[in-house]
Amino acid sequence: KAGVTQTPRYLIKTRGQQVTLSCSPISGHRSVSWYQQTPGQGLQFLFEYFSETQRNKGNFPGRFSGRQFSNSRSEMNVSTLELGDSALYLCASSWDERGGGNTEAFFGQGTRLTVV
Amino acid sequence: AQSVTQPDIHITVSEGASLELRCNYSYGATPYLFWYVQSPGQGLQLLLKYFSGDTLVQGIKGFEAEFKRSQSSFNLRKPSVHWSDAAEYFCAVGGPLYGNKLVFGAGTILRVKS
Repeated sequence: KAGVTQTPRYLIKTRGQQVTLSCSPISGHRSVSWYQQTPGQGLQFLFEYFSETQRNKGNFPGRFSGRQFSNSRSEMNVSTLELGDSALYLCASSWDERGGGNTEAFFGQGTRLTVV
Repeated sequence: AQSVTQPDIHITVSEGASLELRCNYSYGATPYLFWYVQSPGQGLQLLLKYFSGDTLVQGIKGFEAEFKRSQSSFNLRKPSVHWSDAAEYFCAVGGPLYGNKLVFGAGTILRVKS
């Protein structure tokens, strides 16, 4: 069974631009969560999508958005990029249908975004 | 609110020695607890998880962890460390109050000396 696939693996963008990251979950998983990892703030939850609906949201500004498609693939978008958005963005998928949190989250290898 | 504290930023152990990584959590109900490992530039791999039942849980690669409700702790242990265990380890808490949202600790970087 294929794991969680994130594309691209590396990205360099300029301040003020926008970026879209993609995540394909494990087949059969309908919950997709996104995390930002930085040396200063660590791993922080961005949002979770289930069945094309945002089910949970972290404390990030509105420049960070996401969506999920009918095949459970998810994208996240960051608009008006700032230097502080440089991070490893991780996607995780799980089988959790009811959002109870008691299932394992499988993580992708991440997208390394550098903003210059 | 959920929170996790990993008090040790770096730990160095000799190959073959035992290991204990500390984790304390705060959660408003019975928590779900996880330990993940991350190699440089890679994603997170789940080592073990606790949802309920036996408070001593076994994981992959010879790791185990013990849930102690009275101490709000979920420490990770391994009896004999191998050089390949060098990585960063993250404790995380989740649960029914917050759905699939995981809150991670700051991580502990494990160095193994030969």
